[in-house]
Amino acid sequence: GAGVSQSPSNKVTEKGKDVELRCDPISGHTALYWYRQSLGQGLEFLIYFQGNSAPDKSGLPSDRFSAERTGGSVSTLTIQRTQQEDSAVYLCASSLAHGNTGELFFGEGSRLTVL
Amino acid sequence: GENVEQHPSTLSVQEGDSAVIKCTYSDSASNYFPWYKQELGKRPQLIIDIRSNVGEKKDQRIAVTLNKTAKHFSLHITETQPEDSAVYFCAAPPRSTLTFGKGTMLLVSP
Repeated sequence: GAGVSQSPSNKVTEKGKDVELRCDPISGHTALYWYRQSLGQGLEFLIYFQGNSAPDKSGLPSDRFSAERTGGSVSTLTIQRTQQEDSAVYLCASSLAHGNTGELFFGEGSRLTVL
Repeated sequence: GENVEQHPSTLSVQEGDSAVIKCTYSDSASNYFPWYKQELGKRPQLIIDIRSNVGEKKDQRIAVTLNKTAKHFSLHITETQPEDSAVYFCAAPPRSTLTFGKGTMLLVSP
């Protein structure tokens, strides 16, 4: 596609429910990242994929968070038993190669609200 | 891991003034320093970056300077315009990804 696509753009859920957020990166980009942005806060790293493997998942805040990537393309971030503190905008980014020395292309984000 | 500190958190200037945002980092092995701009409700986008083999890079009204000895780098915006109003993030790489600063909200008043 022309850019990084994320869905849903907005998700409102009840505390305790599970949610899935999807990221479709730019075609050909091997590196994929998930970041979280809370109101007025910076970009908090969650997990990094190179192809289908995740060499760095050090930012996942708890075992309620998991992510996978299939076919070297689409990635899904799953949050189980959501809590109110999970409310944030979840941003996905992709890059052509290893992103720590090149441009990250961000999606528009998925805004999650946990009631 | 990398620790990136960004200052100030907010910056208000008059149109035409210059703005400077500074970041410090902790990992001396870091060699790539990008700046991202995020307009309200939009996605972050790269506006300029610098690698450790140069001390300064310019692109029209924006420039980035790097001091590797002191481990800090700065974004300079000259002749600010209202459309420069946004949140600006600096970043530096630890081993595998980018660590971002907490952002600076720049407000440019006409």
